[in-house]
Amino acid sequence: GQQLNQSPQSMFIQEGEDVSMNCTSSSIFNTWLWYKQDPGEGPVLLIALYKAGELTSNGRLTAQFGITRKDSFLNISASIPSDVGIYFCAGQLPGAQKLVFGQGTRLTINP
Amino acid sequence: SQTIHQWPATLVQPVGSPLSLECTVEGTSNPNLYWYRQAAGRGLQLLFYSVGIGQISSEVPQNLSASRPQDRQFILSSKKLLLSDSGFYLCAWSRGVETQYFGPGTRLLVL
Repeated sequence: GQQLNQSPQSMFIQEGEDVSMNCTSSSIFNTWLWYKQDPGEGPVLLIALYKAGELTSNGRLTAQFGITRKDSFLNISASIPSDVGIYFCAGQLPGAQKLVFGQGTRLTINP
Repeated sequence: SQTIHQWPATLVQPVGSPLSLECTVEGTSNPNLYWYRQAAGRGLQLLFYSVGIGQISSEVPQNLSASRPQDRQFILSSKKLLLSDSGFYLCAWSRGVETQYFGPGTRLLVL
């Protein structure tokens, strides 16, 4: 089936550093979404992107819908301990009734 | 506002026993509903989705089944659990096909 390549798989950073992760695909997507999952909880929506080229911020988080519609990135500025978790990208293919998810990026922050 | 509930939160079941996990959504009508499974430290695997009462699409052949007896109720079932059914089960809803919102999840351990 369709796949999203999410990278990196894991990140180990120092508190205060900026973080960048991305998702790419060989297919065109209509929508890109970014979620964060804390241990033992369901994923929480961070940012939704609906147009190619769209750049959206949510506090210290910024995400962009790639111009080619085949990729998206998420940046986190000045990381803090509560940013720890697994971040998932997801995309909606044209005409599909479901989302395709990346495999996640596990973020660990050293204080 | 919309809320999504899952229960139970945690379940320990013996191999061969039946399973019933419930998901309900409040504050919206005719949602799309989804069941995912997540193995420890892994990504999300879509199991079933439903676009209306009695309409179920299965994504992968498996030991599980899903039903939607009411508009905002989605049930995941099994007649005989296997060890491999252990995992974290997540229900999600969406209005249309774009942005999905996840429930808190049910952790299932089959012994």
